[in-house]
Amino acid sequence: SQKIEQNSEALNIQEGKTATLTCNYTNYSPAYLQWYRQDPGRGPVFLLLIRENEKEKRKERLKVTFDTTLKQSLFHITASQPADSATYLCALVRYNFNKFYFGSGTKLNVKP
Amino acid sequence: NAGVTQTPKFQVLKTGQSMTLQCAQDMNHEYMSWYRQDPGMGLRLIHYSVGAGITDQGEVPNGYNVSRSTTEDFPLRLLSAAPSQTSVYFCASGRPNQEGAFFGQGTRLTVV
Repeated sequence: SQKIEQNSEALNIQEGKTATLTCNYTNYSPAYLQWYRQDPGRGPVFLLLIRENEKEKRKERLKVTFDTTLKQSLFHITASQPADSATYLCALVRYNFNKFYFGSGTKLNVKP
Repeated sequence: NAGVTQTPKFQVLKTGQSMTLQCAQDMNHEYMSWYRQDPGMGLRLIHYSVGAGITDQGEVPNGYNVSRSTTEDFPLRLLSAAPSQTSVYFCASGRPNQEGAFFGQGTRLTVV
């Protein structure tokens, strides 16, 4: 079965620094890999999608990379702010499968 | 647009009781799904649907039923509640191969 691994330990960084979160997957190669933000007591909110044939995607202060050889995606937040503190989830969608598979998320704490 | 609407937000059930969690979306998405989220476990897929009249099981389907009679609605039924079903439930809709998932605000269910 598909396994998605995210660092379960919280990531603590200083305001202004770049936060880098990791998502590793096993077994099947996804067609798409997605990143979501989840705040306490709320549902996840979609942030970015990157396709299998894309190496990098950017949106404002966010950057996602996708390395199908390493089976890994990195999610970067540059110039991080305390408002970026949340749990970030990665999810993948396989070819011809209409399902999202989610990781358990990594909590990011940005300290002022 | 309301997006994805879940009801109720909170529910307490006694062991053995049954209930239905409601989910409705107004984005004309064919794909709808139900997840449960437990601490440290991430989002686990219960059931999903790729269109009216079509449903399939996810990772943890036991104890839950679904049906999809319309594009808009995807209710989740707990047949005989057990304490192990205490969790936060999220409904989501979207187009897995094109964009991210849209989540409802969640239902916090406690079974005593």
